[in-house]
Amino acid sequence: DAGVTQSPTHLIKTRGQHVTLRCSPISGHKSVSWYQQVLGQGPQFIFQYYEKEERGRGNFPDRFSARQFPNYSSELNVNALLLGDSALYLCASSFSAANEKLFFGSGTQLSVL
Amino acid sequence: AQTVTQSQPEMSVQEAETVTLSCTYDTSESDYYLFWYKQPPSRQMILVIRQEAYKQQNATENRFSVNFQKAAKSFSLKISDSQLGDAAMYFCAYLFGGSQGNLIFGKGTKLSVKP
Repeated sequence: DAGVTQSPTHLIKTRGQHVTLRCSPISGHKSVSWYQQVLGQGPQFIFQYYEKEERGRGNFPDRFSARQFPNYSSELNVNALLLGDSALYLCASSFSAANEKLFFGSGTQLSVL
Repeated sequence: AQTVTQSQPEMSVQEAETVTLSCTYDTSESDYYLFWYKQPPSRQMILVIRQEAYKQQNATENRFSVNFQKAAKSFSLKISDSQLGDAAMYFCAYLFGGSQGNLIFGKGTKLSVKP
């Protein structure tokens, strides 16, 4: 079975641009969460979606948004990119909203120049 | 607010030896989970071991075991018979045991394994 897949693996953008990151959860998983991992830090929670509804949001500005589609895949959108948005963006899926068993993808490395 | 602290930025161990990584956390909840994740250079977060707070018995997974001290809010990871493939970043994480929740991670410990 395929694990959590994310695309693209690497992305280079310039300040002020917009970016969309994509995630496909493990088959049967209904919950998708997004995390940002800045170099040298642990991942920080951005969003959780379950059954296409937002279930949680971390301390991130409104420039960050996300959605979940009927097939449970998800997109993370970031507007007006800043240099500080450069990070590894990790997607994780779980069968339940409780997230007691989270499986992570390999991430998208975003560089903002 | 819940916090997770890993006080060892880097650790080193000789191949075949044993190493212990430390983690402390702060929470006022009684129902929660604790995790150790491994992040190799491939960047994927791999679950190493999970502990449910209501279980007194320490979790074990082959060469990996934890020392869970609930009163002290301590959750250390012991790696026995260390292998070169164990070299990675290790993250301790906390999850509130409600109907939904997100992981709170520590800053990580970089483990090197010497041949």
